[in-house]
This record gives sequence, structure tokens and C-alpha cells, in this order.
Amino acid sequence: DQQVKQNSPSLSVQEGRISILNCDYTNSMFDYFLWYKKYPAEGPTFLISISSIKDKNEDGRFTVFLNKSAKHLSLHIVPSQPGDSAVYFCAASANLNRDGLTFGKGTHLIIQP
Amino acid sequence: DAGVTQSPTHLIKTRGQQVTLRCSPKSGHDTVSWYQQALGQGPQFIFQYYEEEERQRGNFPDRFSGHQFPNYSSELNVNALLLGDSALYLCASTVWGTAGANVLTFGAGSRLTVL
Repeated sequence: DQQVKQNSPSLSVQEGRISILNCDYTNSMFDYFLWYKKYPAEGPTFLISISSIKDKNEDGRFTVFLNKSAKHLSLHIVPSQPGDSAVYFCAASANLNRDGLTFGKGTHLIIQP
Repeated sequence: DAGVTQSPTHLIKTRGQQVTLRCSPKSGHDTVSWYQQALGQGPQFIFQYYEEEERQRGNFPDRFSGHQFPNYSSELNVNALLLGDSALYLCASTVWGTAGANVLTFGAGSRLTVL
């Protein structure tokens, strides 16, 4: 029973274009969502987050959108750069400090020159 | 400023053996969580320690146990190893009770192979 789903195992985008990574969740108790980026042989690195009271959060080239009614969030990266090539994990939390993060399986983003 | 450090980075065990993995949290962090990441999967929550007590636990059997020390470092112990325990074990730290407590800082992980 996957509560956080990333249905695209991989995504290839041309350098300079927009990358859009999608994530769906089933647990309506989730109230905080995060995106992590992972390079090979490194631990996941926090990228950006959003609380359920918001529908958008922006940080430089990265924007996360949350659609609570659809239980869907997306990460937009614009413009995409070669260093953005990594595995991106969507994660969700139901309660501050009370539950561990629930992760999706990840999407491998490949930025082509 | 050192981040989360884990040891060992790689280890190989045989079925039935026991293993201990170690983690030092990021400076200033007091809460440690452990995650298991199997090949092709996302990290899965094992448990969380704060003030030397297990605060939350994911869906893992009692073979998985842990400990937190007064200096906030932590150990993950796995007994009676199974082939399915082969995975990357990630340690993450944060500060309990703060607005950013859900933003975990991860270590690079310990790669366990069970033969």
C-alpha cells in the first residue's frame, strides 16, 4: 500500500527547459510535503517543502505546487541545468515530529545537453 | 560544520548474523531517525529517537532495535539477518519540536549486503 506515489521512474529533459516532477498521495492526514534530491553514493538532500495550508512555494529555480483536492503535488525546475540530474524523492508527513516521513520511489531526472 | 556521519559505509554479513550501524547527527541536532532504502525503492522509516527514547516506529519487526546516547549519536542493530535486509540504511537528524523538524538532514548511508 503505497501512500506516496511517483509514477514516472525516469524523466529526460533538455538543458534550459522546464522539468516537472509529479507526486500523488493517498493519505488525507498528510499535512507537510518535501522534495529531496539524491546523487549516487550520497544521502538525500533537502530541496524544498510546502505546508498543506499553502498551494505554492518557490525557492529560486524550484517551485512546488500542491493541489489538495487532487492529492497531487509537483516540482518545477526552471531552467533545468546539468547539475539537476539526480533522483528526486517526494516525501510526506502527517504530524510534526510524530511520524516518520513517507517517501515515494523516486524519479530519475536526466538533463540532456 | 560536519553533517550526519555514518559508519561503516559498506559491510557484508551472512544470514543469521547480527549487525550494528552507527550515526552521529549534525551538530546542534538532537533527534535521530533511521530509514531503510531497498534497491529501486524510496527510504522507509524504521524508527526515531529523541532524549534517548524511541519515539516513533515504522512497520519493522523487533529484530530491528536502536539506541540513542547522551551525546545524541545513535546505533541501529539488526538481529538474525535475512537476505531481505540487504539495503542502504540511512540515518537522518533534526531538531525536535521546531518548525523545521520535518526537514531531515541525511547521512550518506551504510550499505549492508546479506549473503
